[in-house]
Amino acid sequence: KAGVTQTPRYLIKTRGQQVTLSCSPISGHRSVSWYQQTPGQGLQFLFEYFSETQRNKGNFPGRFSGRQFSNSRSEMNVSTLELGDSALYLCASSTFPGGDADTQYFGPGTRLTVL
Amino acid sequence: AQSVTQLGSHVSVSEGALVLLRCNYSSSVPPYLFWYVQYPNQGLQLLLKYTTGATLVKGINGFEAEFKKSETSFHLTKPSAHMSDAAEYFCAVSDGRGSTLGRLYFGRGTQLTVWP
Repeated sequence: KAGVTQTPRYLIKTRGQQVTLSCSPISGHRSVSWYQQTPGQGLQFLFEYFSETQRNKGNFPGRFSGRQFSNSRSEMNVSTLELGDSALYLCASSTFPGGDADTQYFGPGTRLTVL
Repeated sequence: AQSVTQLGSHVSVSEGALVLLRCNYSSSVPPYLFWYVQYPNQGLQLLLKYTTGATLVKGINGFEAEFKKSETSFHLTKPSAHMSDAAEYFCAVSDGRGSTLGRLYFGRGTQLTVWP
């Protein structure tokens, strides 16, 4: 079974631009969570989607948004990019609400650099 | 609310030595606990997890961890380190219910260096 895939793997943007990152969960997984990883703040939760609904959101400004499609694929968008948005963005999927529901499996991440 | 503390941001061991990475958590409800490993420029790989049942859990690559409720700990061990174990290790907790559904709380990570 294929793992979580994220595209693109690397992105370079300039301040003020917007960016869209994509995540395809493991087949059969319906919950998708997003995390931001930086050296200064570590791993921080952005939001989680299940059945196209955002169920949980972390403490990030409204510039960070996401959505989930009917096939469970998810996208996150960051508008008006700031230098501090440079990070590794990780997507994870889980089987919720089935067995092993609390175990999240991570993709390789998208490395975003904002210049 | 949940939180995780990993004692020691850097741990160095010699090849063949015992690996011990410490993790303490706080949780208002019975927790689910996880250890993940991250190699450079990669995502997080699940090493092992505790949800219910046996408190000593075995994971991949020879790692194991013991859930000790009285000490609120979930330390990761491996009897004999290998060069390929050099990576960053993250402890995480969730309670899988209510407002924290779908959310893991991570420690700050421990960078493991293995010397030949």
